[in-house]
Amino acid sequence: KAGVTQTPRYLIKTRGQQVTLSCSPISGHRSVSWYQQTPGQGLQFLFEYFSETQRNKGNFPGRFSGRQFSNSRSEMNVSTLELGDSALYLCASTPGDLSTDTQYFGPGTRLTVL
Amino acid sequence: AQSVTQLGSHVSVSEGALVLLRCNYSSSVPPYLFWYVQYPNQGLQLLLKYTSAATLVKGINGFEAEFKKSETSFHLTKPSAHMSDAAEYFCAVSAPYKYIFGTGTRLKVLA
Repeated sequence: KAGVTQTPRYLIKTRGQQVTLSCSPISGHRSVSWYQQTPGQGLQFLFEYFSETQRNKGNFPGRFSGRQFSNSRSEMNVSTLELGDSALYLCASTPGDLSTDTQYFGPGTRLTVL
Repeated sequence: AQSVTQLGSHVSVSEGALVLLRCNYSSSVPPYLFWYVQYPNQGLQLLLKYTSAATLVKGINGFEAEFKKSETSFHLTKPSAHMSDAAEYFCAVSAPYKYIFGTGTRLKVLA
C-alpha cells in the first residue's frame, strides 16, 4: 500500500497570506490527523477528522482550519499567516479508532513564513 | 487526562553502547503507548507499540521497550547503538481522538 502523502513538501509564504496543505491517507484509512511541529513547541495536535467530521481540535486559533473529503483526503488551511506559523506540518492517518490504532505519518510540509 | 514526559532532550552514546531513552506516562485508563523515530526532514516512523498484550515489546531496528505499570514508564532500549540510530525519538500515548506526544529526545551516536 502507498503511504501517507502530503503536498506540497515545501512552501514559502509571506505574512498575511493564506496557505492550503493537502494530505492523502493510506487507502482504507478514514481518520486523518494534523500536527504542527516546531523546535520550541514540539508536536502540537491541530485537529482530527473521521468520515468528513471533525472529532477533535487542538488549542490553535481560528486561523487554522481543516476539512476532509468523502475519499478521506484532507486539507488544512491557515489564513493571515504569521511568522510563528513557520513549522513542519505533519499529517497522519489511521484506520479509525485513535484509541487503539496506529497512526502512520506522511513526510510533512515545511512551511516558511517570511 | 493522558500525558507523556520524556526525560532528556539530548542523549549521546558511543557506537556499540546501550541506548536508553526514558518515557513516563500518565493515563486514567489502560494506555496504548508508542515510540516513533524521526530522521531529518522526514515524518515520524513507528518503532513499536504497546497494547497490553505483553509488557516487553519488540520493535524494528533492534529496539524494544518495557511497560512498567508500577513506575508508569515505557523506556526505549537498544543493546548496541549504530551510527544510523542518530535521530529524534518521540514517545506517545493515545487519547480520545488524538495522540499526545512527548517533547522528543535527540539521540547522538559517537564514533
